[in-house]
Amino acid sequence: GEDVEQSLFLSVREGDSSVINCTYTDSSSTYLYWYKQEPGAGLQLLTYIFSNMDMKQDQRLTVLLNKKDKHLSLRIADTQTGDSAIYFCAERAGGYQKVTFGTGTKLQVIP
Amino acid sequence: DADVTQTPRNRITKTGKRIMLECSQTKGHDRMYWYRQDPGLGLRLIYYSFDVKDINKGEISDGYSVSRQAQAKFSLSLESAIPNQTALYFCATSDPSGAGTGYTFGSGTRLTVV
Repeated sequence: GEDVEQSLFLSVREGDSSVINCTYTDSSSTYLYWYKQEPGAGLQLLTYIFSNMDMKQDQRLTVLLNKKDKHLSLRIADTQTGDSAIYFCAERAGGYQKVTFGTGTKLQVIP
Repeated sequence: DADVTQTPRNRITKTGKRIMLECSQTKGHDRMYWYRQDPGLGLRLIYYSFDVKDINKGEISDGYSVSRQAQAKFSLSLESAIPNQTALYFCATSDPSGAGTGYTFGSGTRLTVV
């Protein structure tokens, strides 16, 4: 079955770039997503990338996809304290149309 | 109003009690989901429904049941709660025609079974 893995914790200084990594196993993935969960809240979609793309940029966010290695990353430029949250990687496999989530990476931004 | 509303927000219940968590959505989507979140385990799918007449088990359905009362409503029941069902529960909805829009989540129900 599908499996999505992330490291559990990342700590960065305010103003630095953050890079959150994710690996997945399903080669039939069509869409890959990044969600953000702030304390006490549900998950909110940050961005997504279609599987035929290598990179997507949206303001401070850059998503890189390496299909050969099944590796997805989210780079946050100029990280702010408001970026402190848990970030979930997720994949949608082509046949199932339901999404498998990773374990989440807790990003701590140090002022 | 929120697109996806979950009630209650917090609940403490005793072992063996039956409890229902409710979810309603105003997105007009056919697809709805229940997940539970545990630290270090991410989100795990309990049940999902692609329309009112379609209910499917997820990866961890044992001990849970669901009811899809209408397109907008999808409730999750714990027939006899046990302590390892203590978790944060999320309802979500999605639009199958727009995979790029992802899921819309509720704010969650924090359930504690004592």
